[in-house]
Amino acid sequence: GAVVSQHPSWVICKSGTSVKIECRSLDFQATTMFWYRQFPKQSLMLMATSNEGSKATYEQGVEKDKFLINHASLTLSTLTVTSAHPEDSSFYICSAHPPGQGGETQYFGPGTRLLVL
Amino acid sequence: GEDVEQSLFLSVREGDSSVINCTYTDSSSTYLYWYKQEPGAGLQLLTYIFSNMDMKQDQRLTVLLNKKDKHLSLRIADTQTGDSAIYFCVADDPGRRALTFGSGTRLQVQP
Repeated sequence: GAVVSQHPSWVICKSGTSVKIECRSLDFQATTMFWYRQFPKQSLMLMATSNEGSKATYEQGVEKDKFLINHASLTLSTLTVTSAHPEDSSFYICSAHPPGQGGETQYFGPGTRLLVL
Repeated sequence: GEDVEQSLFLSVREGDSSVINCTYTDSSSTYLYWYKQEPGAGLQLLTYIFSNMDMKQDQRLTVLLNKKDKHLSLRIADTQTGDSAIYFCVADDPGRRALTFGSGTRLQVQP
């Protein structure tokens, strides 16, 4: 079946640095990818919709200047957490679905755990 | 926007059936999903149901959908200790394909 990968799976960084997380669709092209965030012991919340070739759409309360999204190709979306702070520590998960297929084909990446010291 | 609610905790004995309930608010959701998440792990799609169905069975899993009441349930037959995890009820936004997750139900299976 279709696979979505994320890199890195784990990252620890110092406060104030920027971290880039990649999301790749390995065997299909995705014009749209989604970024979710999960704080410890909480549910997943949609952060933004990544659109290939155009600006990302951010959910209410998500700072677009802090969470930069670039969807430069049909198989790659990147999320950059700029000037990361400890409160940004979370589990970041992306998802994508092959175009033209039904909602049953929503594929999630394995997630990236970010710890900001 | 969509709101998905589910109970936070369920404890059952091994071999019993587990039933996890969920309600959602947006009647235009076309797909409703159940995802499983084990501690420290990613998401595993267990099953989904299309909105024009009222039941779907897949081995030990039975999903019931009451679209009128916007109520979804997941029944796990013969629950095993390996079923201990958090189960998320998820509804789609058909216009965007984005998903709204419930808070998750922590299932604890006692031996």
